Amino acid sequence: NAGVTQTPKFQVLKTGQSMTLQCAQDMNHNSMYWYRQDPGMGLRLIYYSASEGTTDKGEVPNGYNVSRLNKREFSLRLESAAPSQTSVYFCASSVGTRGWGDTQYFGPGTRLTVL
Amino acid sequence: AQSVTQLGSHVSVSEGALVLLRCNYSSSVPPYLFWYVQYPNQGLQLLLKYTSAATLVKGINGFEAEFKKSETSFHLTKPSAHMSDAAEYFCAVSRFGNEKLTFGTGTRLTIIP
Repeated sequence: NAGVTQTPKFQVLKTGQSMTLQCAQDMNHNSMYWYRQDPGMGLRLIYYSASEGTTDKGEVPNGYNVSRLNKREFSLRLESAAPSQTSVYFCASSVGTRGWGDTQYFGPGTRLTVL
Repeated sequence: AQSVTQLGSHVSVSEGALVLLRCNYSSSVPPYLFWYVQYPNQGLQLLLKYTSAATLVKGINGFEAEFKKSETSFHLTKPSAHMSDAAEYFCAVSRFGNEKLTFGTGTRLTIIP
């Protein structure tokens, strides 16, 4: 099993450009998450999806959109990138449809720089 | 609202010495508590978690943590540090009825040879 995979690993954008970060899991998990990691701030939740067809905002959703394409895939889109979105982005998944108490499994991350 | 405080953004210990990483939480209901580890340029992986079964929780790589309700703490310990323990460690909390996991700001552990 590959677990949680993310593409791309690295990306450099110019301000105003758009891009989509891809995430897939092969563990048949119901819940999927997108986080951003910034120095000294830990991980902050951007969006999550408790099941196929549902998405909810997290702590820092502004400037992002998500799509739960199917049970395996959860993508994160930046419509108009800004330097403040320079960060490392992690996708995660967990087995239940209600995540409390569940272990989250993380992908390797996407390092995004916006110039 | 639940929150997590990790005391010390950087901790250095000598190889073979005790590792103690501190985590305090606030939650209005009994929490679920987690410690995750992040090795350089990798994603996070679970070290251990507390889900109310036992107050002393044993995890991977010789780590353990004790849930102390009276102190609202969940500190991570390891009796003897190894060079391979150098990483960033995150404490996290969730609670029944809330899908979201709230992370602390992390503690970077350095091992001195």
